[in-house]
Amino acid sequence: NAGVTQTPKFQVLKTGQSMTLQCAQDMNHEYMSWYRQDPGMGLRLIHYSVGAGITDQGEVPNGYNVSRSTTEDFPLRLLSAAPSQTSVYFCASSDGTVNEQYFGPGTRLTVT
Amino acid sequence: AQSVTQLGSHVSVSEGALVLLRCNYSSSVPPYLFWYVQYPNQGLQLLLKYTSAATLVKGINGFEAEFKKSETSFHLTKPSAHMSDAAEYFCAVNSWGKLQFGAGTQVVVTP
Repeated sequence: NAGVTQTPKFQVLKTGQSMTLQCAQDMNHEYMSWYRQDPGMGLRLIHYSVGAGITDQGEVPNGYNVSRSTTEDFPLRLLSAAPSQTSVYFCASSDGTVNEQYFGPGTRLTVT
Repeated sequence: AQSVTQLGSHVSVSEGALVLLRCNYSSSVPPYLFWYVQYPNQGLQLLLKYTSAATLVKGINGFEAEFKKSETSFHLTKPSAHMSDAAEYFCAVNSWGKLQFGAGTQVVVTP
């Protein structure tokens, strides 16, 4: 079991560029989420999904897009990167609304 | 809306001393509460969770937390700190699968 995997581990973008952060899980979890972590702010929810084909916005969704075509994958797209999106991004999955969320190792993104 | 407040962004503790990390929550419904730990350059790992079965919850690595409804608190403790406990700790409340995190507490353990 690989758990939750994320690629890439590090990425540097220029303002205005787009990219996709990949997230995959092999635990057959229905719930998947994307969080961003910034110093002194904990983790904040960007988007989440309760199953294939179903997504919804979290606390800080602006500038990000998601889709969920399979149970395993939940990619996060940055449409036009901005310096304010410099952060560490974590993907998580869970098998229930009240159960533990399993986190990936994170992607450190810098936008210049 | 649910929220979580962690008192103290940094805590320094001597090796062998008590570790106490404070977490207060607000919730309009019985909460599901979690403590996660993050070691440097890693993802988050679950320490323990409260799901209304028992008010005193035991977790991994000797940590435990007590749910106090009257104080809306879920403080994390460990009787004797170890150097390996140096990490950042996050309290979180679960709202229908969405975690609301506190700002985190960085723990430094001194010899």
